Amino acid sequence: GENVEQHPSTLSVQEGDSAVIKCTYSDSASNYFPWYKQELGKRPQLIIDIRSNVGEKKDQRIAVTLNKTAKHFSLHITETQPEDSAVYFCAASDSNSGYALNFGKGTSLLVTP
Amino acid sequence: DAGVTQSPTHLIKTRGQQVTLRCSPKSGHDTVSWYQQALGQGPQFIFQYYEEEERQRGNFPDRFSGHQFPNYSSELNVNALLLGDSALYLCASSNGETQYFGPGTRLLVL
Repeated sequence: GENVEQHPSTLSVQEGDSAVIKCTYSDSASNYFPWYKQELGKRPQLIIDIRSNVGEKKDQRIAVTLNKTAKHFSLHITETQPEDSAVYFCAASDSNSGYALNFGKGTSLLVTP
Repeated sequence: DAGVTQSPTHLIKTRGQQVTLRCSPKSGHDTVSWYQQALGQGPQFIFQYYEEEERQRGNFPDRFSGHQFPNYSSELNVNALLLGDSALYLCASSNGETQYFGPGTRLLVL
């Protein structure tokens, strides 16, 4: 089955700096890669996603890049703010499995003022 | 438009008991997936329901079972509860690749 690895497990940045979280996946059939943000005690919320036919996608301060050959994808957050502090999860899925999500173990991001 | 809802929000059970958790999908969504999230971990896929049938299943024992109703809502049943079943149980609904999560049910097994 699919195995998703995520690094780093914790990340601390100063407000205004950029944050980068990296994930790798093992199953070449995976073709959909969402990122979720989970605040303490809350539900995971989709923040951005990318499909395998696209190399990069951007939404304001958030961007995701995908390298299908190397089987890795990354989340980039620019101009970080304290409210960006949360746990971020990457996931990989494919249409053959009904897009069941295989999650990484998460990255705890702390943005200090 | 209500998003994904789950009930109950919290539940305490003892070992060996059985539990039923409920999920109502977002309007327009026909697929419900269930995940188990242990403390400090990423969600783990349990199974997915579509057209009232289990379409995909993760690596969970058959103590975990489910159902989907004609209105697309779903139930997760866990029999013979173990201490290790204590977790946040999340359901997610979709009508394609994008899944939207409910607030979860926090289950504590004593």
